Amino acid sequence: GNSVTQMEGPVTLSEEAFLTINCTYTATGYPSLFWYVQYPGEGLQLLLKATKADDKGSNKGFEATYRKETTSFHLEKGSVQVSDSAVYFCALVKTSYDKVIFGPGTSLSVIP
Amino acid sequence: GAGVSQSPRYKVAKRGQDVALRCDPISGHVSLFWYQQALGQGPEFLTYFQNEAQLDKSGLPSDRFFAERPEGSVSTLKIQRTQQEDSAVYLCASSVDRAQETQYFGPGTRLLVL
Repeated sequence: GNSVTQMEGPVTLSEEAFLTINCTYTATGYPSLFWYVQYPGEGLQLLLKATKADDKGSNKGFEATYRKETTSFHLEKGSVQVSDSAVYFCALVKTSYDKVIFGPGTSLSVIP
Repeated sequence: GAGVSQSPRYKVAKRGQDVALRCDPISGHVSLFWYQQALGQGPEFLTYFQNEAQLDKSGLPSDRFFAERPEGSVSTLKIQRTQQEDSAVYLCASSVDRAQETQYFGPGTRLLVL
């Protein structure tokens, strides 16, 4: 079946460090891929998405590229801030009308 | 405008009690979803409504779970005879159309069953 795997957290970084959170997926066909972010005490928010191979999603300095050959969608940011501390979820959906499959989440803490 | 709201935000129930969790989606959103998020896990799909029609309830873990959206706006998730394994955060999300890609999530209801 369809599934999403993420690197285990928690991840702790110093401010201005480079961030990578790995995400790989298993799915037939060409799913759409997403990163959601959950700040403390808040609901999940869509951070970025990519709908086809080689697409790059970007938002708020975060980027992720849809790699069909490696079935990956790794999240990156060049310089993290304390305000980026949150839980990040990688997710996929096979078609617009299928249910969204979420990964287990990766907790990020950024220290000053 | 207002986002998705959920109430209560926290609920403590004794094992065997019935609970009702409410979701107010964004006005005009056709689709509404319920998810269960266990501690340290990602959300898992429970059920999906398009307007008042429950089109998919394949994720409901047992017949103790029941959801409704009688007028196509507010939805209630009811759990009968709660068990400790029901302890989780219950998330509601809505989207403007049938597409499940872009969903707006509420803050969730944290349920603790003692």
